[in-house]
Amino acid sequence: QVQLVESGGGVVQPGGSLKVSCAASGFTFSTYGMNWVRQAPGKGLEWVAFIWSGGRNTYYADSVKGRFTISRDNSKNTLYLQMNSLRDEDTAVYYCAKGGSYYFEYWGQGTLVTVSS
Amino acid sequence: QSALTQPRSVSGSPGQSVTISCTGTSSDVGAYNYVSWYQHRPGKAPKLTISDVSKRPSGVPDRFSGSKSGNTASLTISGLQAEDEADYYCCSYAGSYTWVFGGGTKLTAL
Repeated sequence: QVQLVESGGGVVQPGGSLKVSCAASGFTFSTYGMNWVRQAPGKGLEWVAFIWSGGRNTYYADSVKGRFTISRDNSKNTLYLQMNSLRDEDTAVYYCAKGGSYYFEYWGQGTLVTVSS
Repeated sequence: QSALTQPRSVSGSPGQSVTISCTGTSSDVGAYNYVSWYQHRPGKAPKLTISDVSKRPSGVPDRFSGSKSGNTASLTISGLQAEDEADYYCCSYAGSYTWVFGGGTKLTAL
């Protein structure tokens, strides 16, 4: 069965950096687009970034463009999100999600990122 | 990339039907037949419930159905059950490999 396990969350100061990971199993990782979606405390879901199966093409929400970088290592079945210049409003649970055609087919349990001084 | 509009909460008695609306614009909901819905229980991973406006993934009960008219999509749960209590989010493809979610609707089974 499909499994997505996020890791790497934690507490980081404003302006700092953090890289979260998502280990995938149960499907042929290299043939699917992947996404990051986040949920700030008490708020709704927000799509963050998408990467094509081969990793060459990436797309971002305006709120993170220029600060976050999505990447993947298909040899390790792992998705990454490098987050730089972090702000208070980036505090959220970050979920990785397997792409369907134009939807999010499976989700992980999420990893909490807290931006605080 | 403005969020889609959903009611903050809806409720119904077991056995009743409830409908959650999701209003976007002609650039997202109205432009594509790529509206999806997700069930999210606290502390759990969100679960795909409806894809492509009205397609039900394997394992999702047939009491869940989706539709769209113009810039508004809807999720209907017929024969509400206590286990359906959760937050529900709509999402629409918005072009150029970007997506926009609704603010979420808390469904309460009375």
